[in-house]
Amino acid sequence: ETGVTQTPRHLVMGMTNKKSLKCEQHLGHNAMYWYKQSAKKPLELMFVYSLEERVENNSVPSRFSPECPNSSHLFLHLHTLQPEDSALYLCASSQDIVAVPYEQYFGPGTRLTVT
Amino acid sequence: QKEVEQNSGPLSVPEGAIASLNCTYSDRGSQSFFWYRQYSGKSPELIMSIYSNGDKEDGRFTAQLNKASQYVSLLIRDSQPSDSATYLCAVNLSGQNFVFGPGTRLSVLP
Repeated sequence: ETGVTQTPRHLVMGMTNKKSLKCEQHLGHNAMYWYKQSAKKPLELMFVYSLEERVENNSVPSRFSPECPNSSHLFLHLHTLQPEDSALYLCASSQDIVAVPYEQYFGPGTRLTVT
Repeated sequence: QKEVEQNSGPLSVPEGAIASLNCTYSDRGSQSFFWYRQYSGKSPELIMSIYSNGDKEDGRFTAQLNKASQYVSLLIRDSQPSDSATYLCAVNLSGQNFVFGPGTRLSVLP
């Protein structure tokens, strides 16, 4: 089991709901990431945080709102989602983004279904 | 546009054989390279990282990097049915710029 945990593991929500995904890393890393994995598509990087500051936002719709209160916790707030947002949402962490090692370690993911 | 390409497979090999997985990337500035294994319904698990040209061995796994040709490969020796999974190649241009390939599905037949 990895040092990155995610809750909930499964989430079903309607298009008008608001929910949040939580990620916590116990590895002492400085960087955290949100990825989206849809069927038959490569992993898509959504957001990157380094030392609690957002450093990357890959043209993600505003219905996804990240929050990083400290270097161990990362949230993804969801509101008014669309059915095409149904996917596996993965959190990852790495030691740093400015120097090796860059290896990323993933949490178990949250399987999101939007109805 | 930064791209990472992999043959989607499935790649089928008999138990005990060598499985060879390949990955090509488009950005010559890429600095570091990773192989992840993903079982169905699970999250990616890091199995190898490689930063310089040549071979890097770890147990039954060998990663090979050729920056001039812009490819990286993963060899799995003595393949086991438990190696059946999707293998993701990831390329890192700099710090936060991680790009994943679509993955190659490997099936090891008993």
